[in-house]
Amino acid sequence: GNSVTQMEGPVTLSEEAFLTINCTYTATGYPSLFWYVQYPGEGLQLLLKATKADDKGSNKGFEATYRKETTSFHLEKGSVQVSDSAVYFCALSLTQGGSEKLVFGKGTKLTVNP
Amino acid sequence: GAVVSQHPSWVICKSGTSVKIECRSLDFQATTMFWYRQFPKQSLMLMATSNEGSKATYEQGVEKDKFLINHASLTLSTLTVTSAHPEDSSFYICRCRAASGANVLTFGAGSRLTVL
Repeated sequence: GNSVTQMEGPVTLSEEAFLTINCTYTATGYPSLFWYVQYPGEGLQLLLKATKADDKGSNKGFEATYRKETTSFHLEKGSVQVSDSAVYFCALSLTQGGSEKLVFGKGTKLTVNP
Repeated sequence: GAVVSQHPSWVICKSGTSVKIECRSLDFQATTMFWYRQFPKQSLMLMATSNEGSKATYEQGVEKDKFLINHASLTLSTLTVTSAHPEDSSFYICRCRAASGANVLTFGAGSRLTVL
C-alpha cells in the first residue's frame, strides 16, 4: 500500500539551528511528494513539492529532494527561526483509478526557542 | 488567490445533536472537495471525496449516514455530523480542487468539534 513515515517529534531547536525532518515513503507507482506546514490554530499550507525523482522543492529557506533510490524526501533548513514553529506533514500524491489520493505522515511538531 | 474558508472554526455541542460545517472556496470554483479528520497528534485521514452535483465517495470505515456531505455548488460543500457523540470530537479539515484545470489544491483552516 501507500504510506508515509516521518520522524516523530516533538523537535525542539534553538534559533539559527539546522533542521532536518526525515520522511520516507512507500508507494505503488510514481508519486508526487509534498511538505505541508500547519501553524497553530490554522489549516495546512503547502510548503514545497517535488513531482519526480531528483527534483528539489524549496520555499522560505526550506528544501527537500526527491530521492527515489532511498524513497525519501527529507526536509531541511539551514537556520530556523521562532516563526518556523509549527507542525510539518510529509505527504505523497498518487492518481489511482482516475482519482487522486493524498496520503499524509503523522506530522512532526517543531518548536524553535529564541 | 485560492482561498478556502471553513465555518465554524470552533464548535461545542451536546451529545446527540447534529453539527454542520461549511467549506467555501472564496475566489475559485472547486469541482472536487475533500473532507479530512485529524485526531490529536495524528495525521489527516481522508473521510470522503465530493464532486459538485453528485454523491460523495466515502473511505472505508467512514459511516455515510453519520457524516453527511453535500456539495451543492462549485463553491460550497457541507459536512454534517449527525447525532454527535464524544468520540466524534476532532479537527475536521476540507481541501478544494479548482475546476480551472490548474493544479490548485487548497486547505481550509479547519473546524474543531468538541462533543460534550
